Amino acid sequence: EIVLTQSPGTLSLSPGERATLSCRASQSVSSYLAWYQQKPGQAPRLLIYGASSRATGIPDRFSGSGSGTDFTLTISGLEPEDFAVYYCHQYGSSPDTFGGGTKVEIK
Amino acid sequence: QVQLQESGPGLVKPSQTLSLTCTVSGGSISSGSYYWSWIRQPAGKGLEWIGRIYTSGSTNYNPSLKSRVTISVDTSKNQFSLKLSSVTAADTAVYYCTRDGYLRWFDPWGQGTLVTVSS
Repeated sequence: EIVLTQSPGTLSLSPGERATLSCRASQSVSSYLAWYQQKPGQAPRLLIYGASSRATGIPDRFSGSGSGTDFTLTISGLEPEDFAVYYCHQYGSSPDTFGGGTKVEIK
Repeated sequence: QVQLQESGPGLVKPSQTLSLTCTVSGGSISSGSYYWSWIRQPAGKGLEWIGRIYTSGSTNYNPSLKSRVTISVDTSKNQFSLKLSSVTAADTAVYYCTRDGYLRWFDPWGQGTLVTVSS
């Protein structure tokens, strides 16, 4: 199975700052990569699919890039509601797998 | 828009079978080229895909759980279900149902249901 490694594990930033989250795949997943946001006690919410397409209703401060094995989620200016855990997910090869998550916390 | 809701016992004894149902509302489970998946998340940990079903009944399971998992669908009730046999404490998790498809992401998700395995 494809292993997704997310870094860093925790990102401590202030509101307004730029967040850069990384997801690296153990083998190529082409552009079959999604990003989700999860807040405590809630289900994950789809942010990005196809590595760079924003899901419906997602603000344009969220952007995704990359292909093959290296992917990035960028939040251009953190809002208070963006502090959460973010997961990447590859759906190009079965079984679907997720990264271990990056927690974005308030500095 | 489509919404999903998990239901089932919150407590299961070790060695028994965990059974959950996901009810789909706001649309037919048979419409579109969608699959329907189960995903779980132990407390404080990451996400694990369990398996998926198409409305034709074809299934695809995570090899790590394949020997214990059965996913079925009831199109007349707009529901799909998960059975996980021979559970242990390691199966304690929040279980989510979600929609996906061939080479497709998970969206939307149910709110999740906590299942605890304990005697």
